[in-house]
Amino acid sequence: DTEVTQTPKHLVMGMTNKKSLKCEQHMGHRAMYWYKQKAKKPPELMFVYSYEKLSINESVPSRFSPECPNSSLLNLHLHALQPEDSALYLCASSQGLGEGYEQYFGPGTRLTVT
Amino acid sequence: GQNIDQPTEMTATEGAIVQINCTYQTSGFNGLFWYQQHAGEAPTFLSYNVLDGLEEKGRFSSFLSRSKGYSYLLLKELQMKDSASYLCAVRDLAGANNLFFGTGTRLTVIP
Repeated sequence: DTEVTQTPKHLVMGMTNKKSLKCEQHMGHRAMYWYKQKAKKPPELMFVYSYEKLSINESVPSRFSPECPNSSLLNLHLHALQPEDSALYLCASSQGLGEGYEQYFGPGTRLTVT
Repeated sequence: GQNIDQPTEMTATEGAIVQINCTYQTSGFNGLFWYQQHAGEAPTFLSYNVLDGLEEKGRFSSFLSRSKGYSYLLLKELQMKDSASYLCAVRDLAGANNLFFGTGTRLTVIP
């Protein structure tokens, strides 16, 4: 199983809503990532978890809140988002953070904030 | 910081060979990855280089020159399904060993 799954595929939410994005992998990977990708732009790293501990937070606004309940699951909690937060949110995982570990990406959640 | 450059767009003919270049500047280079991304889909891993030289995988090859800060992805026997964006990504020790992506090269394969 070399798959990273994400739900939902599409999400439309108002600026006052609270929603969560979910990501799951069963490859035994110990590092998981959240990326944000705007149209025709490269993925931008938001958060990195290593062994279920937040390793990197790339100065992301607090309206995005990550959570790693266990080594297979990664959530991204959304609250009071802005229209400019509309983007494709990609989850990825890798065996570790070290050299040579390629990242496997999920299909993404396309988020629209109205 | 990291600076990664790729051409924005390229067009090539079905059956031909195309080379997509990537130049980079990083403080702590620790490997270079190429990913393919079809529109609206997730990036998929194509290749990895950490030492100088050529890595070949079927129709795809990737080359790295660390002294020149340069890589290329070579696609042979192009097929229509190869139309996609190709992302060059560099792992940077100075950036907590994370991946930093170039803007991607949108390749269009024409009949």
